[in-house]
Parts: sequence; C-alpha cells; structure tokens
Amino acid sequence: RKEVEQDPGPFNVPEGATVAFNCTYSNSASQSFFWYRQDCRKEPKLLMSVYSSGNEDGRFTAQLNRASQYISLLIRDSKLSDSATYLCVVNRGDKLIFGTGTRLQVFP
Amino acid sequence: GAVVSQHPSWVICKSGTSVKIECRSLDFQATTMFWYRQFPKQSLMLMATSNEGSKATYEQGVEKDKFLINHASLTLSTLTVTSAHPEDSSFYICSAPDPGRLYEQYFGPGTRLTVT
Repeated sequence: RKEVEQDPGPFNVPEGATVAFNCTYSNSASQSFFWYRQDCRKEPKLLMSVYSSGNEDGRFTAQLNRASQYISLLIRDSKLSDSATYLCVVNRGDKLIFGTGTRLQVFP
Repeated sequence: GAVVSQHPSWVICKSGTSVKIECRSLDFQATTMFWYRQFPKQSLMLMATSNEGSKATYEQGVEKDKFLINHASLTLSTLTVTSAHPEDSSFYICSAPDPGRLYEQYFGPGTRLTVT
C-alpha cells in the first residue's frame, strides 16, 4: 500500500464549478499535512497546510480527518488558472511524502 | 521568501557518463536537503536526505553508489548520477526545509536529465 494515495483523475470541470479532491495516508504517526500544486514541468509549490480543525484560504478549503487518515481539498468557483496537478503531502519524520497527485483541468 | 536554486535546469548526456546536479539555498542555511526524482505522470519520489558534514541517508531501493550525494557546506548539496543510463532520465528536484517551520520545504526549480 502506498503511503499517500490519491485519485489521479483527471478531473475535467467547467469554470465556476466546485471540485473536491481526496487523499488517504497510511502512517498514523504523521503530524503535518499539506496540499501542493504542481504545474507541468515545474517544481511543486505549497498551496496550503492542512490543520486539524480545517482551514480555508480564499476559494480553497482543506479538511483533515485523523481518525480516518483522510485529507480533502475543496476548490470553489474554479478558474482556468487552477488547472494543475494537486499533490497531497504528509510528513514521515522530517521527510515529506508525496501522493501521486490529482490532475485538474478547468475548461471555459 | 527563501529561495532554492538548482543547476543545471536541464542536461542531456550520453549513456555511461556522470552528471552532477547542484542545489543551493540562496538566503538561508540548510543542514538538511532532500533529493527527489519524478518520472512522467508520477509523483515525486524521495531518493535521499543530504546531511551537511555527514553521509546522506538513502530511501529503500535507491542505489547509494549510483547516486552520490555530497553536502559540503550549509548552502550547497550536490547529486551525481554516475554511469547514467536512459532509465535514469527523469526530473530531479531538491528541497530544503524552512528554518522556522520544521515540515515545510522550499523546492528548487528542478533539473531535467535526459540520457541518450
């Protein structure tokens, strides 16, 4: 079983749509959780950290369920510029472990 | 914010040769850096942890004699792919932890290696 699992997609959605991505992780000792965004042929960039109480940053909302070892990302009012691969990331000690990513394509 | 650079950004080499990739933290010191590899349409796979002044620690399945890591200073780590083969062609990315936030990392822009 992979340490961090995501649905690879792709998710093809129209502009303005709401889309949700899910992620599960296997290491119950993990303490830190993130969503990164990666554009084609570029390095990943931190989108947001995920806190136990859930957190929101503009159109993006992240949720964490420790009991189920499950993380989600909700994107509201999708923009064309949101098209990218979204990586679920979990720590293992001082290391970051990446999921395979979920590809999002927003169309006009 | 903190910046991590990599050099070169892309390289093409012949099978059997060695290639060195540099990773630098530009405005902060990094006692630890991480090296990742990403094949097309796959995720970043952690290869090794580079430790300043000591040996690197490698993830399971990564050949330490093939991927030589040197972390000679607090701002520079190098990854040398020795006797490169076409299957080593990949996107290599380094990262360094944020000095103030244990689990957040700054990523370099990556190096695309093509072995012919």
